[in-house]
Formats: sequence, structure tokens, C-alpha cells
Amino acid sequence: GESVGLHLPTLSVQEGDNSIINCAYSNSASDYFIWYKQESGKGPQFIIDIRSNMDKRQGQRVTVLLNKTVKHLSLQIAATQPGDSAVYFCAEKVSSASKIIFGSGTRLSIRP
Amino acid sequence: DVKVTQSSRYLVKRTGEKVFLECVQDMDHENMFWYRQDPGLGLRLIYFSYDVKMKEKGDIPEGYSVSREKKERFSLILESASTNQTSMYLCASSSAGLGVNEQFFGPGTRLTVL
Repeated sequence: GESVGLHLPTLSVQEGDNSIINCAYSNSASDYFIWYKQESGKGPQFIIDIRSNMDKRQGQRVTVLLNKTVKHLSLQIAATQPGDSAVYFCAEKVSSASKIIFGSGTRLSIRP
Repeated sequence: DVKVTQSSRYLVKRTGEKVFLECVQDMDHENMFWYRQDPGLGLRLIYFSYDVKMKEKGDIPEGYSVSREKKERFSLILESASTNQTSMYLCASSSAGLGVNEQFFGPGTRLTVL
């Protein structure tokens, strides 16, 4: 997801369904990508990462897909649960650099 | 359990006041970062430090300064707070060296400038 003005994109998903959150990154030199989850009142927490020499990586209930051709990253959450409600940020980094560039975030909302 | 702590969760200050936001990490990380987070704008880097007494400007350093006298502590200073500095401030740390380095975040300080 990408920001539109000051409005945070929101994805509403039925509990138990799969969620797909998308992100377009900007720097073709970026070779490391991260997804963070930020719950209300907390700082961002690492979910999963992927290096540019991979196009898919799986964690527990989460999968990250990387398409370098179109500079696109996605986070898939299987069997979405109420505890998955949060804002999700993608981030990109050049390995040799200290800085991480964050996307503007997507809010995931779970319908019971 | 690794931890980044910030001195205050909520802070209310008046325009023109000098404000100190403190961040401490217990992971012996070389790199520390200060971000501000505003709705729809994501996280924007203010300053970062890659070593004691070293600092580099991020994307929005204007109106801010930083101090890193000890490895575990990174302070953000608003010399003269203004209302447009009302925001959520997040501190993070990461290890240095080659390769990729996850950033660990503190819980944030919500600053309101009246």
C-alpha cells in the first residue's frame, strides 16, 4: 500500500481469510527488504525480511514476495486473526548503508 | 529480551520550550536513529548516529539536534519547540558491520506542543 495525501490506506479482511498487503519500493539499488508491524500505541516490530537474491520467503503464517522487475513487495498473512490488526510498513535498505527507507504504511482491519 | 526504551510515553510542552527526548538501548548496538511518525507520512528519519559522538542528518533535521555521549544513549533535542513538532517520536537501534541489520524500535514518545 502507498499513502494518498494524509490518508493511510486501509485493507479490511474477514477473520480467517488471507490478507495481502502491497508495497512499491523506490530505490533499484535496495537489496534488503523488511516488513514491520505496528500495533496501536507501540513501536514497529520486525515481522519478516527478504534479500534481493530471493523472490519468496516464508515465516509463520506470513510470506513475503519480492518482484525486483517492477520494484514490488507484498506481505501475505494466512488465516488472518484479530491480533493481526495493525499498521504494516514495508522498508527497503541498501546493505552497505545504515539507513532504512520506510513506506507510509497500510492499516489492516479485521472484520469478525 | 532486547530492549529499546524511551524516557516518556507522553509529553506536553509549550511553544519555545527546550525539549529532551531520551532513548536507551541494551543491545550494545552501534547505530541509533530518531524518527518522527505522522499520519499518512510513515516514518521520517530525523538524525542517526553510527558511533559515540558521531551523528548524521536524516531527511528532516531542521529544528532538531542530537547528542550521543554514550553508546547506549541517544538524545533528541528540540531547542525551541514549535507546534509543527507535535508528533510521535520513535527511537531505534541496530548493529553495525556488513550485511543487513534489523532495526529495533522503542515504544515511542507522543509529544504535543501547545
